[in-house]
Amino acid sequence: NAGVTQTPKFQVLKTGQSMTLQCAQDMNHNSMYWYRQDPGMGLRLIYYSASEGTTDKGEVPNGYNVSRLNKREFSLRLESAAPSQTSVYFCASSDRTQYEAFFGQGTRLTVV
Amino acid sequence: GENVEQHPSTLSVQEGDSAVIKCTYSDSASNYFPWYKQELGKGPQLIIDIRSNVGEKKDQRIAVTLNKTAKHFSLHITETQPEDSAVYFCAASGAGTALIFGKGTTLSVSS
Repeated sequence: NAGVTQTPKFQVLKTGQSMTLQCAQDMNHNSMYWYRQDPGMGLRLIYYSASEGTTDKGEVPNGYNVSRLNKREFSLRLESAAPSQTSVYFCASSDRTQYEAFFGQGTRLTVV
Repeated sequence: GENVEQHPSTLSVQEGDSAVIKCTYSDSASNYFPWYKQELGKGPQLIIDIRSNVGEKKDQRIAVTLNKTAKHFSLHITETQPEDSAVYFCAASGAGTALIFGKGTTLSVSS
């Protein structure tokens, strides 16, 4: 089993460009999440999807949109990238919101 | 919404010593409290978790305690080893809500 797969692993964007981070899980989990990790700030929740067909804002949703494409896939879109969005992005999934979350390997995004 | 505070931000111990990391949370509805370990260049991995109906849980050298009245939970690592060096995160969640994480503790174990 691959677990949680994120693509790409690395990306450099210019300010104003758009891109979509992809996430897929093969564990038949109901809930999926997007976090960003910055030095000294820990993991901050951007958006989550408690179940297929639902999405909710987290702690830092501004500048991002998400799509729960199906039960397996949860994508994160940056419409107009800003240097403040330079970060490591982690996707995670869990059977339910109060169960162990499994994380992907992360996407390191740099916006110049 | 939930807010999780974690202390200390860095912790240095000698091999064989114990390490304790403490977290407090704000939402009394939270009832699931996991701890994650993150090694360099990798995603966080669960090492132990506790639910609100339990006060303490132990797994070999790792233990977690929960005080719901004080909204406080702690991670205890005994007989630390160099491979315990990593960043540790506490988190909290309630029904239908996602995990909210503390800011992390960088643990360094020197031999």
